[in-house]
Amino acid sequence: AQSVTQLGSHVSVSEGALVLLRCNYSSSVPPYLFWYVQYPNQGLQLLLKYTTGATLVKGINGFEAEFKKSETSFHLTKPSAHMSDAAEYFCAVSRSGGYNKLIFGAGTRLAVHP
Amino acid sequence: SQTIHQWPATLVQPVGSPLSLECTVEGTSNPNLYWYRQAAGRGLQLLFYSVGIGQISSEVPQNLSASRPQDRQFILSSKKLLLSDSGFYLCAWSSLGQGGSETQYFGPGTRLLVL
Repeated sequence: AQSVTQLGSHVSVSEGALVLLRCNYSSSVPPYLFWYVQYPNQGLQLLLKYTTGATLVKGINGFEAEFKKSETSFHLTKPSAHMSDAAEYFCAVSRSGGYNKLIFGAGTRLAVHP
Repeated sequence: SQTIHQWPATLVQPVGSPLSLECTVEGTSNPNLYWYRQAAGRGLQLLFYSVGIGQISSEVPQNLSASRPQDRQFILSSKKLLLSDSGFYLCAWSSLGQGGSETQYFGPGTRLLVL
């Protein structure tokens, strides 16, 4: 069975500092991996996804993530945090074949302070 | 372009009352449709998904049901709400094909408070 673990339910960084949100997955087949962001009282918005090909994936708002098969990880990074990055971030995994069933991690709430 | 709507945005209901949440998608045909629940401080739990009209699969046995009366309409219902049904309900859609890699696009959500 597939699963996702997000290390750290809360992460706090200073504005301008590096953002690193950790995601590890478990999957018996090659996974598809996603990062979503959720602002308060809103739906989820896709930041980026990995399907095949280049393991370093660039997304919106300056975020990127690297798929590391050997570490079963898909950590999300941004070189310089902005106040507007404060939100909750969800990592998700799906498997090939059939419909697109996403398994979500518990989420990481990112706080950015001046 | 595609858009997804959910209503109502907020709902306060007494325990034991019925529930009907609606989700509609515009600008696409034959989408996969999904209902998720997000409890406070927790991740998203997939409740139901549908690959076509009248085709509903349930992920978690519970007090809720779903229906898809039209291609781009997905309804979440309950005959009698429980306190534990409180949460943030999200509808999502994705395209068919290439199984697994399609992006899911989420609606704005409905916040349900059962008192």
